[in-house]
Amino acid sequence: EADIYQTPRYLVIGTGKKITLECSQTMGHDKMYWYQQDPGMELHLIHYSYGVNSTEKGDLSSESTVSRIRTEHFPLTLESARPSHTSQYLCASSGTGTPYEQYFGPGTRLTVT
Amino acid sequence: KNEVEQSPQNLTAQEGEFITINCSYSVGISALHWLQQHPGGGIVSLFMLSSGKKKHGRLIATINIQEKHSSLHITASHPRDSAVYICAVNGFGNEKLTFGTGTRLTIIP
Repeated sequence: EADIYQTPRYLVIGTGKKITLECSQTMGHDKMYWYQQDPGMELHLIHYSYGVNSTEKGDLSSESTVSRIRTEHFPLTLESARPSHTSQYLCASSGTGTPYEQYFGPGTRLTVT
Repeated sequence: KNEVEQSPQNLTAQEGEFITINCSYSVGISALHWLQQHPGGGIVSLFMLSSGKKKHGRLIATINIQEKHSSLHITASHPRDSAVYICAVNGFGNEKLTFGTGTRLTIIP
């Protein structure tokens, strides 16, 4: 069982609010990822990090930002939520031992009204 | 055309049937993954493979590198196998995943 956690699991929030989605892993993995998934659609990478103080934008443009101050923590922030941000956000991590195997968190389902 | 294509998109079968889900990709890869996503949304990694065949319980995954094709088989299917099955690949030297659109499997008791 992978030790990667996301909070909150569900969030309903009004337009214009600032939100932070939390992701933590206890496996000591260097690499962490954020994916966005609309219902019935494929996952799209929006941010990734290969270590502390390293963050990059993914293949899908996103208005969110991320930070990586600690190895185990990779929060995602939306400064001003909009209905178009309604989606599921999944966090994942991978280690140096098996660099291609990603472990996924349970996801945060965000609804912006 | 997506780099990773899955078929079928939807599959409904009776309990006990043998299930096959297919994945084709158009790029050179370091590894191919089969993932399972249940209605709650969480994703579990079933297999990671770069050649040959792997087996876990009733699940079998095969890959043919020359044909750029992989299959996921489920023997003696059960309603708890109902989920979305996702194929994903790592390009050469690329730790980022490219995902297929998934196959929604429903097993009827």
